[in-house]
Amino acid sequence: SYVLTQPPSASVAPGKTARITCGGSNIGAKTVHWYQQRPGQAPALVIYYDSDRPSGIPDRFSAANSGNTATLTISRVEAGDEADYYCQVWDRSSDHVVFGGGTKLTVL
Amino acid sequence: QVQLVQSGAEVKKPGASVKVSCTFSGHTLTESSIHWVRQAPGKGLEWMGGLDPEDGEAMYAQRFQGRVTMTGDTSTNTVYMELSSLRSEDTAMYYCASDINSGWDFDSWGQGTLVTVSP
Repeated sequence: SYVLTQPPSASVAPGKTARITCGGSNIGAKTVHWYQQRPGQAPALVIYYDSDRPSGIPDRFSAANSGNTATLTISRVEAGDEADYYCQVWDRSSDHVVFGGGTKLTVL
Repeated sequence: QVQLVQSGAEVKKPGASVKVSCTFSGHTLTESSIHWVRQAPGKGLEWMGGLDPEDGEAMYAQRFQGRVTMTGDTSTNTVYMELSSLRSEDTAMYYCASDINSGWDFDSWGQGTLVTVSP
């Protein structure tokens, strides 16, 4: 089955840029979605179709997908960005949705 | 705007079944597939399966095959997820989520239903 690998944690100072990676075999050939989950809340879509932002998501959130790595970038990080972030794809070969293990972003 | 409202928390004994509902507004069942994702305490997200709106059929993650059943009622815009033969490892928050774009991205989520399996 297809596996997505994320670092368990990341930390960044306010105002700086955070980058969260999501590794998978030839993930660049798949469409990646990203979710933010704040403590005690349901996940929320922050990036879809590799790099599109849903309405209401600030342009500080961006993403790219190529080769074996997809990356979520959060610019000018704020305290409210502290959350768990998950990448997700649909694996056509298994007809399964796959989530990465999640990255806990800490704002220092 | 799609809104999904789930049924309340459940406490079940091992071996029992649980049925969680998800009522959505803003679209109809035929316009949006609805998926179920669970999250064990302190763990990540796990996809369980979903309903295909085009043919009304459900697709399940392999590890839940035989234990999970997903159904929908278009008259009430409600979908149900039933999980049987519960064990302690099934203790988790269960979320429904919609995929309006048919792009396998989950654009809206329910508030979650906590299912606790305990003797």
